[in-house]
Amino acid sequence: DTEVTQTPKHLVMGMTNKKSLKCEQHMGHRAMYWYKQKAKKPPELMFVYSYEKLSINESVPSRFSPECPNSSLLNLHLHALQPEDSALYLCASSPRTILHYGYTFGSGTRLTVV
Amino acid sequence: QQQVKQSPQSLIVQKGGISIINCAYENTAFDYFPWYQQFPGKGPALLIAIRPDVSEKKEGRFTISFNKSAKQFSLHIMDSQPGDSATYFCAASRTNAGKSTFGDGTTLTVKP
Repeated sequence: DTEVTQTPKHLVMGMTNKKSLKCEQHMGHRAMYWYKQKAKKPPELMFVYSYEKLSINESVPSRFSPECPNSSLLNLHLHALQPEDSALYLCASSPRTILHYGYTFGSGTRLTVV
Repeated sequence: QQQVKQSPQSLIVQKGGISIINCAYENTAFDYFPWYQQFPGKGPALLIAIRPDVSEKKEGRFTISFNKSAKQFSLHIMDSQPGDSATYFCAASRTNAGKSTFGDGTTLTVKP
């Protein structure tokens, strides 16, 4: 299995809703990442988990809450989002945070906040 | 301060032509330089990567040229095909940094 699987593919949520994005990989990668991508822009790093521990938080607002239940799963909990949070949310993994192997990205969750 | 500058922003090439995308970096501590290809509605996919001890790397129709003294690297797509039409991102990272810095992307259109 050489894929990163993200669910759901599309999500529409109101500003008072709570929702979660899920990411799964079975490549044995020990580093997992959440990226946010706006249209025609590069991916923007949000969080890095290394060996299931949060190692980097790029000053992301607390309405985004990451969770890494085990080495294969990564969640992003969403609460009280704003319309400007609408974007493509990408999960990625790599063998380790030593990035000489590049990322394997999922196809993303297209999030719309209304 | 942007650490990786990518050009051009968009590129139109005829089928069979050569597509060239350039990136320049500032941080001499960077030691891994990947290129990602992204199709609409998909996540980026690692295309090819190079380390600074090598000046060129070729994989099929894709070649990275690396100039350490100029702090520049480029992606060459030979015999460009309509299926290569996508957005290309260069990136740079340094060992143990835990993250990559991306260029702004180049939208490539290959006309049949």
